[in-house]
Amino acid sequence: NAGVTQTPKFQVLKTGQSMTLQCAQDMNHNSMYWYRQDPGMGLRLIYYSASEGTTDKGEVPNGYNVSRLNKREFSLRLESAAPSQTSVYFCASSPAKVRGETNYGYTFGSGTRLTVV
Amino acid sequence: SQQGEEDPQALSIQEGENATMNCSYKTSINNLQWYRQNSGRGLVHLILIRSNEREKHSGRLRVTLDTSKKSSSLLITASRAADTASYFCATGANSKLTFGKGITLSVRP
Repeated sequence: NAGVTQTPKFQVLKTGQSMTLQCAQDMNHNSMYWYRQDPGMGLRLIYYSASEGTTDKGEVPNGYNVSRLNKREFSLRLESAAPSQTSVYFCASSPAKVRGETNYGYTFGSGTRLTVV
Repeated sequence: SQQGEEDPQALSIQEGENATMNCSYKTSINNLQWYRQNSGRGLVHLILIRSNEREKHSGRLRVTLDTSKKSSSLLITASRAADTASYFCATGANSKLTFGKGITLSVRP
């Protein structure tokens, strides 16, 4: 099925470990996003990429890095995981062609549930 | 920081009843969107209303937008048990889509 695929679905890390969350979309969308969802906080934007080769910080970028590997793939890296990064991470994509355009609905992946102990 | 704030935080209704959820926001927007999230799943886009539109329909969904009051409402008519989920409003502005904290809707069979 067409959509956004995230891997892994679950992960437990020890404090200080690193890992990369993978995201791929097969809808030929230009824009891709990483959000985190915490209880009582809604979704908060970490980073986004308006097109291949560009990335921008969102609301909560500290402790994360991203790579827009190609048009399909957008990865999120935690270099040194902290307990505060325990969360559910969602990748999303949209067809927006112009940087900053928001007049499209987003397609979300099913999420990665990350626990940092 | 959240742009949209949904109200109520939780809503419980009987199957067949209508469900009304509200969203208020603080600054100018380009559009407002509603999403549904089933337990343990990702968000699903339901409907988008642009800032120059006042009302929009999609199946059993009706969305209104009042930019003078900076508020929107989502009406689900003839609710079903399958409508049980969390619902989020999201505002598009300043190159970003900003989500509220969500409303938990329970539809009792």
